[in-house]
Amino acid sequence: GEDVEQSLFLSVREGDSSVINCTYTDSSSTYLYWYKQEPGAGLQLLTYIFSNMDMKQDQRLTVLLNKKDKHLSLRIADTQTGDSAIYFCAVISGGYNKLIFGAGTRLAVHP
Amino acid sequence: EAGVAQSPRYKIIEKRQSVAFWCNPISGHATLYWYQQILGQGPKLLIQFQNNGVVDDSQLPKDRFSAERLKGVDSTLKIQPAKLEDSAVYLCASSLEGYEQYFGPGTRLTVT
Repeated sequence: GEDVEQSLFLSVREGDSSVINCTYTDSSSTYLYWYKQEPGAGLQLLTYIFSNMDMKQDQRLTVLLNKKDKHLSLRIADTQTGDSAIYFCAVISGGYNKLIFGAGTRLAVHP
Repeated sequence: EAGVAQSPRYKIIEKRQSVAFWCNPISGHATLYWYQQILGQGPKLLIQFQNNGVVDDSQLPKDRFSAERLKGVDSTLKIQPAKLEDSAVYLCASSLEGYEQYFGPGTRLTVT
């Protein structure tokens, strides 16, 4: 079946850039997403990219998509302590827009 | 615009008991989803409704889980009887056109 994989942990210094990576198996995925989850909270939709795009920028967030390698990344510029959270990569799969999630990458931001 | 509402936020029950969760989606959103998120994992879709009808329940353990969406708005998810492995966060999401899903805060279920 469809699979989405992410590294589990990333630690960065405050002010640096963070890059979270994701790989997926379903080449027919039309939309690819990044969600943020803070402790005890639901998932917050951060951004998404349509499969015919290579890059999307939204303020401090940059999404890069390499369809050939089935690789998605999220870059957070000027990372702040408030960015500490778990980041989930997700892709649309199937005819009813089912989301397939990765296991999440825990981002820790230290001073 | 109000977000997706869920209740209760927390629930502790003993195995073999029953439990129900409630979800109120964003106004006007035709599609409603229930996800199960086990600790340390990403959410997994349990069931998807389009208005009143079920469009995908392939991963719903139908021997113990049931869900309904009356009048195409609110939804309830029930577990009867609960097992220890049902301990998880149950997330409800809704979408207008299918490609932007907005999540509620979730219900954390602990089965002892």
